[in-house]
Amino acid sequence: DTGVSQDPRHKITKRGQNVTFRCDPISEHNRLYWYRQTLGQGPEFLTYFQNEAQLEKSRLLSDRFSAERPKGSFSTLEIQRTEQGDSAMYLCASSGRADEARDRGYTFGSGTRLTVV
Amino acid sequence: GNSVTQMEGPVTLSEEAFLTINCTYTATGYPSLFWYVQYPGEGLQLLLKATKADDKGSNKGFEATYRKETTSFHLEKGSVQVSDSAVYFCALSVPSNTGKLIFGQGTTLQVKP
Repeated sequence: DTGVSQDPRHKITKRGQNVTFRCDPISEHNRLYWYRQTLGQGPEFLTYFQNEAQLEKSRLLSDRFSAERPKGSFSTLEIQRTEQGDSAMYLCASSGRADEARDRGYTFGSGTRLTVV
Repeated sequence: GNSVTQMEGPVTLSEEAFLTINCTYTATGYPSLFWYVQYPGEGLQLLLKATKADDKGSNKGFEATYRKETTSFHLEKGSVQVSDSAVYFCALSVPSNTGKLIFGQGTTLQVKP
């Protein structure tokens, strides 16, 4: 198992364009999380999936953001009509059951750095 | 609400110096507490954890003790190395079914030879 993989590592896009990021979690993990990290700040929770069900979304996730996890495996995070304020590192993480997440933390990917110009 | 506050950085130390990075939290219920480390260009790695009051988490020479009375989880290391240079994040996991983490803003550690 190679851990949590994210693709691409870097993305530069023009304002107004749509972008999509992919996350491949650890195969036996049924929980998947997306976080956003801006420069000099800690990661902020965006959304969480248990298998294919999206069970919680942060108020940070505006209508321009959508996340999916078809078949409970990989996940995609799409941002429509990007704005300069969307520039950040987007982190994906996965874990096993709730008690495992609470007690052991989870495994993070290396992130996708988005720059909107 | 739930929140984590870390000491401001950057923290600059000479090799073999003693390290303390302060972390305090506010939480409903009894959270689990974590320290994550982020090396340049990499994702976050779990450094250590504690799940209940008075637990001590330890790993790679780093330690932190869950202090419920002071709502703190300070990170310590007796002798830092240049390779410890990174950003350190304190985090808590609220006791809910989500398992989401609330992070502090991070503290940058620079260790000079």
